[in-house]
Amino acid sequence: QSVLTQPPSMSGAPGQRVTISCTGSSSNIGAGSDVHWYQHIPGTAPKLLIYGNVNRPSGVPERFSASKSGTSASLAITGLQAEDEADYYCQSYDSSLSDPVVFGGGTKLTVL
Amino acid sequence: EVQLVESGGGVVQPGGSLRLSCAASGFRYHKYWMSWVRQAPGKGLEWVANVNEDGSEKYYVDSVRGRFTISRDNAKNSLYLEMHSLRAEDTAVYYCARDQVWTMVQGRLNYMDVWGKGTTVTVFS
Repeated sequence: QSVLTQPPSMSGAPGQRVTISCTGSSSNIGAGSDVHWYQHIPGTAPKLLIYGNVNRPSGVPERFSASKSGTSASLAITGLQAEDEADYYCQSYDSSLSDPVVFGGGTKLTVL
Repeated sequence: EVQLVESGGGVVQPGGSLRLSCAASGFRYHKYWMSWVRQAPGKGLEWVANVNEDGSEKYYVDSVRGRFTISRDNAKNSLYLEMHSLRAEDTAVYYCARDQVWTMVQGRLNYMDVWGKGTTVTVFS
């Protein structure tokens, strides 16, 4: 059970916008810890999507954006495409844990 | 092309040992921290260990500390994970990843910007 809570699954039709939440607490995101986001298509190498809350590495489409507010962070995908079907993970730092680097439980995104 | 290729996975009995390797290419390997991240069947990602550029700093998740050892050989552009006293809960796909250092007031939260495709470790009696 991760201290970063993500919805286990979400879905959207091609062209739609979806937002994946990553809910933390006052010991992680709420304490100002930054958030990174990854995309993982099973059987392939995970891919960095967002680092430092809002920064997109080169090569990541502008359709992917992220934000952080209070104790939560969000990843938004606009213009949903079939290739976006994947698992998405947030990562942050929880100062109350002996293992402070934590991933969220992951969200499986299905493109209908 | 920037690339990480893992090898060394396999099936091992509880209590056994394995050594994973990761071959890096296409970038200045000795300039980067490196990590191992794993994914157990049906579970999410879990950071396992990382090592700094010259191998002098090593960090581990509690569940593997004392059983696993991360190391690197910069002359061979290689990363290793020596695993001992393996348990069923160590069964996972193990990914090698390149770290980018990200330092916050609270501590270090490196992000992984290059990943390998993984190697599978099965601990099974």
